[in-house]
Amino acid sequence: GESVGLHLPTLSVQEGDNSIINCAYSNSASDYFIWYKQESGKGPQFIIDIRSNMDKRQGQRVTVLLNKTVKHLSLQIAATQPGDSAVYFCAEKIAGNQFYFGTGTSLTVIP
Amino acid sequence: KAGVTQTPRYLIKTRGQQVTLSCSPISGHRSVSWYQQTPGQGLQFLFEYFSETQRNKGNFPGRFSGRQFSNSRSEMNVSTLELGDSALYLCASTPDSSSTDTQYFGPGTRLTVL
Repeated sequence: GESVGLHLPTLSVQEGDNSIINCAYSNSASDYFIWYKQESGKGPQFIIDIRSNMDKRQGQRVTVLLNKTVKHLSLQIAATQPGDSAVYFCAEKIAGNQFYFGTGTSLTVIP
Repeated sequence: KAGVTQTPRYLIKTRGQQVTLSCSPISGHRSVSWYQQTPGQGLQFLFEYFSETQRNKGNFPGRFSGRQFSNSRSEMNVSTLELGDSALYLCASTPDSSSTDTQYFGPGTRLTVL
């Protein structure tokens, strides 16, 4: 029979454009969040993190924004490159070192 | 520092068998977490070990178990394999020195159950 899988949101951008990937989290008490990038056949790779006492954090070409009021995270990638093509996950810390992961967004960069 | 390593990278088993997967955390990291990743369910937390003790557990049946050794290396075991256990099993390590430690993942073990 037909298997039912997660419907992965997709985003296609032109090379050089900026990308914005969004994520809604569930627990208003979560105090730590991480964005991961996962390429095909590999484990998730850490991109950037943010603590709940911050609204914004910048890294190299990436910025994470946190809106605690609406429980929303976004990842902005500047000047997107073909190597940025991957699935991006947000993760919120639940307890100990247990993280709850979003469904992921598949980013495709068009050369 | 070497990253998180997992062995084996690929495994094929048949229903009813059992399997043991191994994870070596980043040197100095004391916490090891395991996740199952499938197209149908995404990334799901299995359990976390710290100081050889299971500290957190996800919603998986008792067929899934794990342990951690004194050197922080961890193994997970799945008994009586089912077709639905086919997945990428990911291990992640954390220093556990603060409440906002980053979690780093290994490459995963791809398990196929026939």
